[in-house]
Amino acid sequence: GENVEQHPSTLSVQEGDSAVIKCTYSDSASNYFPWYKQELGKRPQLIIDIRSNVGEKKDQRIAVTLNKTAKHFSLHITETQPEDSAVYFCAARLAGGTSYGKLTFGQGTILTVHP
Amino acid sequence: DTGVSQDPRHKITKRGQNVTFRCDPISEHNRLYWYRQTLGQGPEFLTYFQNEAQLEKSRLLSDRFSAERPKGSFSTLEIQRTEQGDSAMYLCASSFGAGGDQPQHFGDGTRLSIL
Repeated sequence: GENVEQHPSTLSVQEGDSAVIKCTYSDSASNYFPWYKQELGKRPQLIIDIRSNVGEKKDQRIAVTLNKTAKHFSLHITETQPEDSAVYFCAARLAGGTSYGKLTFGQGTILTVHP
Repeated sequence: DTGVSQDPRHKITKRGQNVTFRCDPISEHNRLYWYRQTLGQGPEFLTYFQNEAQLEKSRLLSDRFSAERPKGSFSTLEIQRTEQGDSAMYLCASSFGAGGDQPQHFGDGTRLSIL
């Protein structure tokens, strides 16, 4: 099955700095990669996703890049704000077969943005 | 609120008791997923429904776990003879479409604590 590794486990930045979180996946057949933000006691919220036919996607201060050859993808947050503080999860979805769209998640990154 | 709804938000029970959780997906979402999340970890896939059919179950889902989606709308997850190791957050997610790469939207989850 698919395996997703996420680094770093914790990330501390000053307000206004950029933050980068990296994930690697094991199965080259994976074709969909979402990122979720989870605040304490709340639901995971989809913040951006990318499909394997695209190398980069941006949405305001958030961007995701995908390197299919190396099997890794990254989340980039620019001009960080204290409200960006949360746990961020990457995930991968295995295409075809009997996967039916289930997501395999990374272990999470605790991002802290200091004012 | 037209998001995914889960009930109850918290459940405390004694070891050996049975518990049942409910998930109401976003209206017209045909795909429904259950995940389990323990402290400090990403969600782990449990089971998947397409309309009323349960098409995939994880090996994490022991014989004590059963899930239903009788009319293709809401779903229930039952745990019989609960054990300490069942303590976790149980998350439900839904999506729409024929393929598996449509965004999954999560509910707030049910936090289960076994005494």
